[in-house]
Amino acid sequence: EAQVTQNPRYLITVTGKKLTVTCSQNMNHEYMSWYRQDPGLGLRQIYYSMNVEVTDKGDVPEGYKVSRKEKRNFPLILESPSPNQTSLYFCASSLYSRSSYNEQFFGPGTRLTVL
Amino acid sequence: AQKVTQAQTEISVVEKEDVTLDCVYETRDTTYYLFWYKQPPSGELVFLIRRNSFDEQNEISGRYSWNFQKSTSSFNFTITASQVVDSAVYFCALSEAVRGYSTLTFGKGTMLLVSP
Repeated sequence: EAQVTQNPRYLITVTGKKLTVTCSQNMNHEYMSWYRQDPGLGLRQIYYSMNVEVTDKGDVPEGYKVSRKEKRNFPLILESPSPNQTSLYFCASSLYSRSSYNEQFFGPGTRLTVL
Repeated sequence: AQKVTQAQTEISVVEKEDVTLDCVYETRDTTYYLFWYKQPPSGELVFLIRRNSFDEQNEISGRYSWNFQKSTSSFNFTITASQVVDSAVYFCALSEAVRGYSTLTFGKGTMLLVSP
């Protein structure tokens, strides 16, 4: 089954304790990205990657890191989480083309609470 | 500048009422895509529709219909005879050529509450 998986689905942590949210897709997609969703703000893009070893900042990258060492994985790293990073996080993937749209597949979301 | 505006933060209706969710977008691209997603209380994002900027035909799918008007940069979503199961947050989104199409720019969402 084609899917995007995220782990963990729920996480409660404390300020300053490094954490990683994993994202994996089984569709051989070049493009992967992370969004955060906050009440009243919609979804905002954090980082994206157009292929292995190629990553770039989205609209709200501060406080986050990503890596793309393998095509299927795109982990989101919070080196020193703070309460303002409490949010619902979505990973997404798609094929990539500059000339046409390719369907985005979203993961189920990770609800992160930073105390 | 906000590229996707959903001016209605929250809408409350009674079951069987019709409801329209507004979406206004802004882009300089001539080719772009517009989307609607539904987010039920369980949290996942459910894709509803995608529209190409060259296709202005309105679309109907069961109780759902979409009105795309390039002249007013709007892509409104109407639910006919609403049901309690329609209660969710609805997002309008834009995909532009300048950003390689893969990035979605979302509106802030409209929470729809349908009461029995």
